Amino acid sequence: QVTLKESGPVLVKPTETLTLTCTVSGFSLSNARMGVSWIRQPPGKALEWLAHIFSNDEKSYSTSLKSRLTISKDTSKSQVVLTMTNMDPVDTATYYCARMRCSTSCYEDYWGQGTLVTVSS
Amino acid sequence: QSALTQPASVSGSPGQSITISCTGTSSDVGYYNYVSWYQQHPGKAPKLMISDVSNRPSGVSNRFSGSKSGNTASLTISGLQAEDEADYYCSSYTGTTLVFGGGTKLTVL
Repeated sequence: QVTLKESGPVLVKPTETLTLTCTVSGFSLSNARMGVSWIRQPPGKALEWLAHIFSNDEKSYSTSLKSRLTISKDTSKSQVVLTMTNMDPVDTATYYCARMRCSTSCYEDYWGQGTLVTVSS
Repeated sequence: QSALTQPASVSGSPGQSITISCTGTSSDVGYYNYVSWYQQHPGKAPKLMISDVSNRPSGVSNRFSGSKSGNTASLTISGLQAEDEADYYCSSYTGTTLVFGGGTKLTVL
């Protein structure tokens, strides 16, 4: 079955760089018309899309966060990595990775459990 | 990309039907048939309920349906059940980026 699992630090300090890893199983990162998205959710707030990467390595980023984000993948390890620079307390959130499937359109059909990242000194 | 607009809350009694709206622009919801809906229970990850405006993934109850008119998409839940109480989010894929709505809290009275 398809699973995704996020891993990374629970606590980061302001100005530090956050690195999160999404390890997937049940599908390959080289599958055509599939990709992985990163989405975050501050406590008590709405979902916010951050970035996604397709099987052909095509990448897309949130316009407002583009300068701080980098997404990459290691197909052999079944991992997608997101880095976010210059972390700030407002970046405190649960970070989710999700499989992106494209048929008629693109949508996130399987989600990881999420990992809560707190930004504090 | 601005967030899509959803009502903050809706409510209904068991057995009733409710509709949640999701308003975007002619650049996202109005232009593409790329609207999805997600259900999120407290402390849980979102779950895909509707894709491509009106397609229900396997395993999702047929009490959930989606539609779109102009720049506004809608999620309708018929025969409300207690387990439907959750937060609901719409999203629109724009061809390169994704934008979510602000979320709607559904209360089953």
